[in-house]
Amino acid sequence: GQQLNQSPQSMFIQEGEDVSMNCTSSSIFNTWLWYKQEPGEGPVLLIALYKAGELTSNGRLTAQFGITRKDSFLNISASIPSDVGIYFCAGKNYAGGTSYGKLTFGQGTILTVHP
Amino acid sequence: NAGVTQTPKFQVLKTGQSMTLQCAQDMNHNSMYWYRQDPGMGLRLIYYSASEGTTDKGEVPNGYNVSRLNKREFSLRLESAAPSQTSVYFCASTTDPRNVREQYFGPGTRLTVT
Repeated sequence: GQQLNQSPQSMFIQEGEDVSMNCTSSSIFNTWLWYKQEPGEGPVLLIALYKAGELTSNGRLTAQFGITRKDSFLNISASIPSDVGIYFCAGKNYAGGTSYGKLTFGQGTILTVHP
Repeated sequence: NAGVTQTPKFQVLKTGQSMTLQCAQDMNHNSMYWYRQDPGMGLRLIYYSASEGTTDKGEVPNGYNVSRLNKREFSLRLESAAPSQTSVYFCASTTDPRNVREQYFGPGTRLTVT
């Protein structure tokens, strides 16, 4: 099946630092998504990317859809303690048929922010 | 609007026992999904239902069955639980599978099989 490699696996940073994480795929995706999961909760969508080369911001978060359509990155600027959580990338393609609407998730990046 | 709800929140089973995980959404969504989350593995799709009356296998369906009871409810059944099924299970829903921006997740069910 499709594989998504997300890195780094974990990050320990000081409040105020910038954060960068990325995902690479062996397959082409038509959509890239970034989710955040807080302890005891389900993932919540942060940013959705629909076109190769697209750069989208949501507050202090910025994500880009790679030109090759096989990668994406997420940056968080000026981190704060509430940024703590697990960040997941997810990819989707329109192969049609039974893959319609299904997402492939990365392994997650665990972010810890020290005050 | 409760969104996506899951019951129970926690469950401990012995090997060989059966149980059903319940999921309901009140957003009038057409498609519903069951995922499992294991450390270092991300979320993996078990089964999904593109619309009421249809279900299809995902990436890791073995050992599970599902029922799309109606538009609101999508249940996941473990007929004979195994320790390998210890995981956190998430239900998700979306109104249009082409518009993944609207895929909402429930809070999860933490299952331990001893």
